[in-house]
Amino acid sequence: KAGVTQTPRYLIKTRGQQVTLSCSPISGHRSVSWYQQTPGQGLQFLFEYFSETQRNKGNFPGRFSGRQFSNSRSEMNVSTLELGDSALYLCASSSPEAGAETQYFGPGTRLLVL
Amino acid sequence: QQQVKQSPQSLIVQKGGIPIINCAYENTAFDYFPWYQQFPGKGPALLIAIRPDVSEKKEGRFTISFNKSAKQFSLHIMDSQPGDSATYFCAASRSFAGSEKLVFGKGTKLTVNP
Repeated sequence: KAGVTQTPRYLIKTRGQQVTLSCSPISGHRSVSWYQQTPGQGLQFLFEYFSETQRNKGNFPGRFSGRQFSNSRSEMNVSTLELGDSALYLCASSSPEAGAETQYFGPGTRLLVL
Repeated sequence: QQQVKQSPQSLIVQKGGIPIINCAYENTAFDYFPWYQQFPGKGPALLIAIRPDVSEKKEGRFTISFNKSAKQFSLHIMDSQPGDSATYFCAASRSFAGSEKLVFGKGTKLTVNP
């Protein structure tokens, strides 16, 4: 099976802009989680979607949002970008058949906000 | 509040050495403890995971030791190789459906010298 794919891999934006990141989970996986990775804060949970519904949400401002489509693909949106949003955004998918807690990560999208 | 504390931040060993990375957690509801390995420019990859009902789990050169009463777990890498040089993250979660949220430690950068 193909792994988790994320697009784009790299992105440069300026403050105030918005950005949309995409994630395609492993085939058959219905849960998609998003994480932000920064040198200072490490890996932090953003939110998780299962069957098009947000089930869990981390402690991030409302500028961070997401959605999941019927084919389990997910998008994450960040509006009104701030310099501090520069990070590696990781998507992970999981499946009850593999043990719901086993999460497989994609390569990430590196976002730079200037 | 950091729920998973990881140490050390960095570790340098010689080839063949046995690096040990330690993690401590606070939430007794956690019942799934994975370790991830991350190379530069890549997403985290699941290495090995353990549940509290066992005290030790081995997979190849990687061993997890788990101490439920102390709320601590550790990763040992036997016969370490330069190719093991990477950043290692411990994590914890609650393994019931609807809780696909991993709480990560801050990471340990391991360098294995030839």
